[in-house]
Amino acid sequence: QKEVEQNSGPLSVPEGAIASLNCTYSDRGSQSFFWYRQYSGKSPELIMFIYSNGDKEDGRFTAQLNKASQYVSLLIRDSQPSDSATYLCAVWVTGGFKTIFGAGTRLFVKA
Amino acid sequence: EAQVTQNPRYLITVTGKKLTVTCSQNMNHEYMSWYRQDPGLGLRQIYYSMNVEVTDKGDVPEGYKVSRKEKRNFPLILESPSPNQTSLYFCASSINFDRTLRPGELFFGEGSRLTVL
Repeated sequence: QKEVEQNSGPLSVPEGAIASLNCTYSDRGSQSFFWYRQYSGKSPELIMFIYSNGDKEDGRFTAQLNKASQYVSLLIRDSQPSDSATYLCAVWVTGGFKTIFGAGTRLFVKA
Repeated sequence: EAQVTQNPRYLITVTGKKLTVTCSQNMNHEYMSWYRQDPGLGLRQIYYSMNVEVTDKGDVPEGYKVSRKEKRNFPLILESPSPNQTSLYFCASSINFDRTLRPGELFFGEGSRLTVL
């Protein structure tokens, strides 16, 4: 079983719509949860960090965490073509001293 | 400017020819790590280092070596590269998990695309 799982997509949404990206993780000792955005051929860029249950909002982005269900999601409101990228879910596992990444979900926002 | 610098950014080499990918950070971070990224597999950790002279294996260490003689530098060494090491490599750094409210937050270099023929 993969430790961090994401739907690879591609997920296609029209401009102005809400994009919903999902992630599940297996280690209940996970402490920190991240969403990175990665444009093709570029390095990952942190867009959201969350560590407690509930929602965290930052501009057009909302991260949601449910530790009981081991589930993290990212909502992108008013999606723009510039949001087209691969979104990586990542989890910090304290005992392993490492950040584990999902394989990423490709998002396409159609103008 | 705070950054993680990798070199070379692009490299084509042949099987068996030793190479080193350098990584340097100017943020005084204790933690440094190497990842490789392959289509469909995401980012997989190769090695990490918690501080100078402290290194440990990640999930895919076979065929790689690292060293941490200085806090700012963490080179990745491929002693005898093989075609299955063709990949996109990222170096990343962070503050140690016990000194930050955001443990695990990584700052990435720009990546090094390696092709082994």
